[in-house]
Amino acid sequence: NAGVTQTPKFRVLKTGQSMTLLCAQDMNHEYMYWYRQDPGMGLRLIHYSVGEGTTAKGEVPDGYNVSRLKKQNFLLGLESAAPSQTSVYFCASSSPDQPQHFGDGTRLSIL
Amino acid sequence: DQQVKQNSPSLSVQEGRISILNCDYTNSMFDYFLWYKKYPAEGPTFLISISSIKDKNEDGRFTVFLNKSAKHLSLHIVPSQPGDSAVYFCAAFTIQGAQKLVFGQGTRLTINP
Repeated sequence: NAGVTQTPKFRVLKTGQSMTLLCAQDMNHEYMYWYRQDPGMGLRLIHYSVGEGTTAKGEVPDGYNVSRLKKQNFLLGLESAAPSQTSVYFCASSSPDQPQHFGDGTRLSIL
Repeated sequence: DQQVKQNSPSLSVQEGRISILNCDYTNSMFDYFLWYKKYPAEGPTFLISISSIKDKNEDGRFTVFLNKSAKHLSLHIVPSQPGDSAVYFCAAFTIQGAQKLVFGQGTRLTINP
C-alpha cells in the first residue's frame, strides 16, 4: 500500500543544471499537487493538477514546470536550477472530497 | 501577506496534560481548515479538519475549535502522549477549484515524560 511515492529522496545539483522530480500515487486520485517547504515556513503550493492532462499555477510557480500525462504521475521539472530552489519538495494527491495525502519529500540542494 | 499564521514556533507540554496549538487566518473566504502532523523525514499526515460552518470537531483525543469572528482556530490534544511530539501545521482552503492548501509556518510540539 504505497500511497504517494516521490523519487528521488535526495539530490544535489549545480546551478544551471536541470532535473525532474517524479511523484506517483496508487489511490486513483484526481488531484495532485507540488509544494515546497523552506525553513521557518509552511508548505507553499508550486503547481497543481485537477486531472490527467491538466496543470495550473500555485503560489510560487516561477522556475518550475509540471506535466501530468498519466493520472497516477505528476512530474516537477527545474529547467535551470538556482540556489533559491534549494528546498524540500512534497507531492500530494487527493480526491475532491478527501484530505490530501503526502509523500515523504525530496530534499534538493543546489550549489 | 501570510493568510494563515501560527505564531508559536514551539510548545512544550507535560505528558498527560492538554496541548493547545493555535492558528490565525486573515482570509474570511476559507471554507475548510485542517491540521496536519509531521514527523522528521516524513510527509505531513492529515489529523483533523473542520468546516467553516461548524465551531467544533472532535476525533478521539483531538478536538479542533473554530472562532470565525476572531479568525482563529485551535487544536486541543488531551491527554498528550510522547508520540504526539511532532510539527503541527494548520492549513485552509476555499472550495472553488481544487484544494489549494494555504499552510501556516508550523508549531513544534514536544511532549515531556
